[in-house]
Amino acid sequence: GAVVSQHPSWVICKSGTSVKIECRSLDFQATTMFWYRQFPKQSLMLMATSNEGSKATYEQGVEKDKFLINHASLTLSTLTVTSAHPEDSSFYICSASRGWDRAYEQYFGPGTRLTVT
Amino acid sequence: SQKIEQNSEALNIQEGKTATLTCNYTNYSPAYLQWYRQDPGRGPVFLLLIRENEKEKRKERLKVTFDTTLKQSLFHITASQPADSATYLCALGLYGNNRLAFGKGNQVVVIP
Repeated sequence: GAVVSQHPSWVICKSGTSVKIECRSLDFQATTMFWYRQFPKQSLMLMATSNEGSKATYEQGVEKDKFLINHASLTLSTLTVTSAHPEDSSFYICSASRGWDRAYEQYFGPGTRLTVT
Repeated sequence: SQKIEQNSEALNIQEGKTATLTCNYTNYSPAYLQWYRQDPGRGPVFLLLIRENEKEKRKERLKVTFDTTLKQSLFHITASQPADSATYLCALGLYGNNRLAFGKGNQVVVIP
């Protein structure tokens, strides 16, 4: 149980275009979903936290107008990278958690490799 | 400044031995700590969670300790196997909304 999927697994786009990444919890309801980005040999950097039906909370330094997050249901969250630039190329990973008010493990998706040319 | 430190050098270990990884942190007061495994090009997989009032947690061949005075967690893999080769990430659980702060990870290579 506790499977999280991401789509697409990789995407190449031209500079200036927008890309949408989907994150789904397949067999449980995710009260909270998280979006991370990871550069090679670096740690996962939390970008934002989203709870179903409410606005996402962005970490300091993350542009909320550039990285649009929609948590439409208890099983789906989307991240849209708007007007992508080559420096946005990275590995984007989502995770889902059953709760937010105490310690819960996070279940991660397989990640999406974004390359902006 | 806040730091989570894991050894950047890979740990090469003979099959059957115990691998021990260290996670040190500064300027954090985590409510709990988690360990994850990450394979290349994949998302992390949850392994263990230990709370601030717990000293030790075990799961099969894995053992985690948490010393809030030393601000350190140790992660042990006993009877290591080649399939245990991966990068292991330490993550601190912050109070409120279940956010995690990750270390860079420590690679383990188990030699047959």
